[in-house]
Amino acid sequence: DAGVIQSPRHEVTEMGQEVTLRCKPISGHNSLFWYRQTMMRGLELLIYFNNNVPIDDSGMPEDRFSAKMPNASFSTLKIQPSEPRDSAVYFCASSRTGGEGTEAFFGQGTRLTVV
Amino acid sequence: GNSVTQMEGPVTLSEEAFLTINCTYTATGYPSLFWYVQYPGEGLQLLLKATKADDKGSNKGFEATYRKETTSFHLEKGSVQVSDSAVYFCALSASNTGFQKLVFGTGTRLLVSP
Repeated sequence: DAGVIQSPRHEVTEMGQEVTLRCKPISGHNSLFWYRQTMMRGLELLIYFNNNVPIDDSGMPEDRFSAKMPNASFSTLKIQPSEPRDSAVYFCASSRTGGEGTEAFFGQGTRLTVV
Repeated sequence: GNSVTQMEGPVTLSEEAFLTINCTYTATGYPSLFWYVQYPGEGLQLLLKATKADDKGSNKGFEATYRKETTSFHLEKGSVQVSDSAVYFCALSASNTGFQKLVFGTGTRLLVSP
């Protein structure tokens, strides 16, 4: 199994530009999570999907952020327009919805730098 | 709401020293508890977990016991190696809406010197 695949690994963009981060979850997993990691705020859950449906987007910082999951094998996180304070590492994770102790598998992350 | 509190880092140890990283949690109901590890430039990976009170999770020499009475899940290892240098995250999983949602602590960086 290839694991959770994120692209790109690194993204450098100018303030005001649109940024799209991509994620391919592990086949057979039906929950998908987007996290943001910064030194100041640690690991924050932005949004999570179950069976392609957004369940909780309360962590999305503002309207500039949007996430979609058009099918079970693909999700995007879009920032439009981007700002320097969006610079962070963005992680996608997936899991198989189950009982207690269900493990989440993380991708390697996308390091976003907005200049 | 649900939350996890970890000790501040970095924790700096010499090789073969004993490690403890403290973790306490606040949750409604009966969460599952996890330790994840993040090596430089990589995503988080599960280290160990426990799903009910008094369970002990263990892996690669690391252990943690789910203590409901003290709401704690402290990570321990008897003899650390340089290769254990990483950031360690305590997390809980609780179902508030019928779906399991992971909540992480802020992470504790461990530095092990030869």
